[in-house]
Amino acid sequence: GAGVSQSPSNKVTEKGKDVELRCDPISGHTALYWYRQRLGQGLEFLIYFQGNSAPDKSGLPSDRFSAERTGESVSTLTIQRTQQEDSAVYLCASSPHPGAQGYTFGSGTRLTVV
Amino acid sequence: GQQVMQIPQYQHVQEGEDFTTYCNSSTTLSNIQWYKQRPGGHPVFLIQLVKSGEVKKQKRLTFQFGEAKKNSSLHITATQTTDVGTYFCAGSNQGGKLIFGQGTELSVKP
Repeated sequence: GAGVSQSPSNKVTEKGKDVELRCDPISGHTALYWYRQRLGQGLEFLIYFQGNSAPDKSGLPSDRFSAERTGESVSTLTIQRTQQEDSAVYLCASSPHPGAQGYTFGSGTRLTVV
Repeated sequence: GQQVMQIPQYQHVQEGEDFTTYCNSSTTLSNIQWYKQRPGGHPVFLIQLVKSGEVKKQKRLTFQFGEAKKNSSLHITATQTTDVGTYFCAGSNQGGKLIFGQGTELSVKP
């Protein structure tokens, strides 16, 4: 596609439920990143996929968070047993390769845990 | 781990005044990128700096990368209301993940 697509754009879930967020990167982009942005805050690195290499999961805040990527396409971020502190905008970004000129961000998924 | 600090957190200016935001990394960077996020929007890439001491300009915006490749700055000359938003720097090591600063939120009073 023309840009990075994320779905859903908004998600309201009850505390304790699992949620799955989806990211469709730009075709041909080998690098894919997930960030979390709490209201009025900066971007918190979560996980980074590069081609077929093992992902860098060093930013995942707890074992309730996991992410997968199928080849060089779609990625899903799963949050199990959601907590209120998980409420944030989850942003996905892709780039042609590491060090490429700039990442392209999706519009994000706004997650609200009630 | 790698940390990127950005100051100030907020900056309020009168239209026509200049604006500068500063970025410092705890480690030497291979490159630094700058992004702008409008209120309610997502970050949009502005520019990447790679070379030590590099200076790049985009119209009223001037970007600098320090000699030691550990700090950077973004300067806007004669701000306009369209410059409103949050400016983020983001640095990476060779082939590594991009770590973002906390951002500087710019408001411009007409």
